[in-house]
Formats: sequence, C-alpha cells, structure tokens
Amino acid sequence: QMQLVQSGAEVKKTGSSVKVSCKASGYTFTYRFLHWVRQAPGQALEWMGCITPFNGNTDYAQKFQDRVTFTRDRSMSTAYMELSSLRSEDTAMYYCARSQYGGNIKDAFDIWGQGTMVTVSS
Amino acid sequence: QSALTQPASVSGSPGQSITISCTGTSSDVGIYNAVSWYQHHPGKAPKLMIYEGTKRPSGVSNRFSGSKSGNTASLSISGLQAEDEADYYCCSYAGSNTWVFGGGSKLTVL
Repeated sequence: QMQLVQSGAEVKKTGSSVKVSCKASGYTFTYRFLHWVRQAPGQALEWMGCITPFNGNTDYAQKFQDRVTFTRDRSMSTAYMELSSLRSEDTAMYYCARSQYGGNIKDAFDIWGQGTMVTVSS
Repeated sequence: QSALTQPASVSGSPGQSITISCTGTSSDVGIYNAVSWYQHHPGKAPKLMIYEGTKRPSGVSNRFSGSKSGNTASLSISGLQAEDEADYYCCSYAGSNTWVFGGGSKLTVL
C-alpha cells in the first residue's frame, strides 16, 4: 500500500543540525510533491515547504528559508529534511506528507508519514 | 504568511451537528478553490477529510462536508460521534507554491 515511513526520534543540542528521512513506497516517488509539516508541543500544524522529487526543485516557507534544506534520493525513493542552527523552539514533531496531485495549486496532503520527534536541548 | 483563523475550540453532543470556520484573506482562501481539512488525533498522523473545499476522499464519512463563502471556508460534521473528537485543521494554497494552515480547532464531543 502507499505509505511514507520516516526515520526515528532525534535528540539534538542547541546550534546543531538534524536530518530526517521520509521513504516512499507503493507509488511512483517522482510523480508527487513531498511536503514537510511540523507541530511543536501544544501548537498548530505549520507548513515548512516542499520538494519536487522529479527534479529536486524546492519551495520553502519564509520562516524557514535560511535554515532548512530539502533533498531527495530518487534511487531510494527517499526525501530528506535538514534543519540547521537548532534552537529549543524547534522541538516538534516533523511530518512528511504527499501531495494529492502532481504539484497543483489545488493540492492537498493525502498520505502522511508517522512523524519524527525532534527534541532540542542545551 | 499568517496562519488562517479558526476557533480554538468547538463542542457538541452526540448526534448533533457542528461547523468549524476557517478565515483567510483574498490572497489565499478567497482566491483559490483549494482549502483542505485534516483530522488530527493526538499521537497519530493527520488525516485528509476534505479537499478542494468540498470534496471527500474515498473512505471518509459523508457526515463530513465542506463549503466556502468569500474568504471563509467551513467544515461541517453531522451526527457527531465520540470518535470525531480530535483537532481539526484547515489548509489553503497561498500562492507562489506555498501553503498555510489554520491555527487548529479542538472538537469536544460532550
């Protein structure tokens, strides 16, 4: 079945970086955008950006533009989210989510990974 | 990009109907027919309930429906059931290949 499986929980020090993976299966990886969404404890879902697996094009939310990098490995059907200069406010559950269409303004997020908890402490 | 505005909490008794609003601007909700709604139970991944404002994915109960008027989208749930208790988020395309979520609404089934 179609699914996204993310890497395990991470504990990081303030100022370091974290890299989370998201492995797709059950569909053609290059046909759908992959989005990254986070939820800090007690807070709302927050869209971070997306990557086009076909060509690696990325779009980032302005808030994260200076600190986040999305990449992908087509041979592994896996996308990656790297967040640098971590601070305590980055403690959150990070999700990858598949676009419903191939990258369209009407896109919704129809398949979600199970989430990866990232904890940042000094 | 500012988050879309949702009520922090809504509640209803089993069998009743509720509506959750999602207010954006003429740059997101108002201009694009691209609002989606997600149900989020604690500890689980969010689940797509409504897309393109009014459409239900296969497998989602027809008790869930969506609508839009101007800059405000709405999610309605009829025949409330205990398992509907969750957080609900709206999301809209916001131009230039960006999306924005609402602040979330906690639904309590009394």
